[in-house]
Amino acid sequence: GAVVSQHPSWVICKSGTSVKIECRSLDFQATTMFWYRQFPKQSLMLMATSNEGSKATYEQGVEKDKFLINHASLTLSTLTVTSAHPEDSSFYICSAQKSGTANTEAFFGQGTRLTVV
Amino acid sequence: AQKVTQAQTEISVVEKEDVTLDCVYETRDTTYYLFWYKQPPSGELVFLIRRNSFDEQNEISGRYSWNFQKSTSSFNFTITASQVVDSAVYFCALSLRSGEKLTFGTGTRLTIIP
Repeated sequence: GAVVSQHPSWVICKSGTSVKIECRSLDFQATTMFWYRQFPKQSLMLMATSNEGSKATYEQGVEKDKFLINHASLTLSTLTVTSAHPEDSSFYICSAQKSGTANTEAFFGQGTRLTVV
Repeated sequence: AQKVTQAQTEISVVEKEDVTLDCVYETRDTTYYLFWYKQPPSGELVFLIRRNSFDEQNEISGRYSWNFQKSTSSFNFTITASQVVDSAVYFCALSLRSGEKLTFGTGTRLTIIP
């Protein structure tokens, strides 16, 4: 099966600092990756669609200058939370779509739990 | 726009009982995909099933079964002979193309009481 690895699994950072989360497809190429956010005891909400070699597409209400997404290769997308604040504390999870295939499910990483203190 | 509703926020059943998790969806598209995921306390999403809109056959996988009814826009999930390991949050989701972005329901927290 296809494996998506997220790093780190959890991170604690101080308010005002930036945090980078990596989403890597280990055994397949992913032209498109998706970033979701899940607040405690809530559902997963799509934040943005990450496209290799082009700008990410952000969902309404998501600040693109705060959540920087870079998809520089076919196997890696990064999400950087800039100037993090306690309200950014959440569970961030990515999924990757296999390039050149249709009719497959999205493959999810294991998620990153961010705590901003 | 798509919408997925899971009306049951929390369910508790005693071990070995059967339990059904409800999922109702809304979309104007005729082609779509429905999913169920399990999210244990560790947080990762465990893929359970994908069903496309043209396949209304019910599916059974071990103790799990799914009932897809387009007439009522529902895609319900039943666990028979529940076990403590089934305790988790279960999400129903919809996408217009398989492998693409998902619209999730609010989830149902299932607790199996030993």
